[in-house]
Formats: sequence, C-alpha cells, structure tokens
Amino acid sequence: DIQLTQSPSFLSASLGDRVTITCRASQGIGSYLAWYQQKPGKAPKLLIYAASTLQSGVPSRFSGSGSETEFTLAISSLQPEDFATYYCQRLKSYPPFTFGGGTKVEIK
Amino acid sequence: EVQVVESGGGSVQTGGSLRLSCVASGFTFSSYAMNWVRQAPGKGLEWISYISSDSSIIYYGDSVKGRFTVSRDNAKNSLQLQMNSLSADDTAVYYCAASSSWFGGWYFDLWGRGTLVTVSS
Repeated sequence: DIQLTQSPSFLSASLGDRVTITCRASQGIGSYLAWYQQKPGKAPKLLIYAASTLQSGVPSRFSGSGSETEFTLAISSLQPEDFATYYCQRLKSYPPFTFGGGTKVEIK
Repeated sequence: EVQVVESGGGSVQTGGSLRLSCVASGFTFSSYAMNWVRQAPGKGLEWISYISSDSSIIYYGDSVKGRFTVSRDNAKNSLQLQMNSLSADDTAVYYCAASSSWFGGWYFDLWGRGTLVTVSS
C-alpha cells in the first residue's frame, strides 16, 4: 500500500513565522490528499482537501500545494492558535484510509 | 449546531466487550458515510471502520477485522461500534467522523470529541 511520510515530525517556530510541512507519498496519488490539525485533547479538524482546497471557515493563512508524490502545507504567519499537530491523509475510495505520522508544531 | 457526539467509552478488562455510540445532529445523517478513527495515547490517527450512508458497504482496518462490528440507524441518526475481544492495544480515544467525497476519495470533515476506551488486565 502507498505510504505517507511527513517531515519534519517536529518543528519549533515563532509567532509570525512562515511554516511549511511536507507529506511525501511512496507513489503518485494525484491531488488526493487532505490535511488535518489536531490540538491537544481535541478532535482533528479538516483544513484542506484535494491537496489545495481550503475547507470552509479555515483561515486563509493556511494553504496546500503539490501533487503526485510531494505535498506541502504552509502557514503564512504562525498564530498562537496554530500550535498543534498536523496530519496528512490520502483520499481514497477504498481502505485503508491512512494518515501520515504527524508533525507537531511548537513555540520556539 | 452540526455535530457528532460519541459515548460508551470506559474501562474494560482484556477479552471484554464494549459498544460505542455516536449520535449526529444538525445535518442529514442518512446522506453521509461514517467512520471510526482511533488514537492511542501519544500516538497518531488510525482509521478503523467505514460504513456507507445506506450501510451497504462496510470496511474494517486489519487491526480490528473480525473483532469489531460497525452499524448505523439512520432513523435515529446514530452510529455504533461493537468491540469484542479487546486487548491493551485497543486502548485509545475513539472518534466518530463523517466523510465527504471528492471525485471518489473520502476525507473526514466532521469529527466528534471522542470517547476514551481503556483496556487493562
């Protein structure tokens, strides 16, 4: 099955920084990728699907790009509420609906 | 308010059973495929089960196949997960998630707050 590898697994950044997280697929998956944000003790929240489509209500400082094997989630100017763990997920019509390993964004 | 709310978690002994429920409100539950996703303490997200809107298609992850059973009652806006033969590896927060499709690919756009299942000897 296709594997998703996120990097880095941990990053430390300051308020206002531009942050990028990468998700690499072991084989091409077109634009079939979603990104989620999870804060401690909370449920995951969908940020982006179809690689670059912002979910309704998600701030425009979040953006997604990429296709096939390399995808990026960018946060243009890190806000206090953005410190969280981020997961990518391959969109498929059949299982397994695998998530990447996660990237934890912490305050420097 | 659009939401799904899980219940039924708790502590259970190894080999025991537990039944989780998820009740939906604020949206047309019968139009959505539903999933269960779990997260072990300090770990990442693991999808474990999918059920189509009309219950005609059901999938399970390898780690729970043969032990867990998913079902839904559209008349009651509810989703269930029957968990049998539980082991310590099943200890996790269990999330109910509604999924939408983009050109045949499922993504999870509405999540509940989760319910904690602890399995111990």
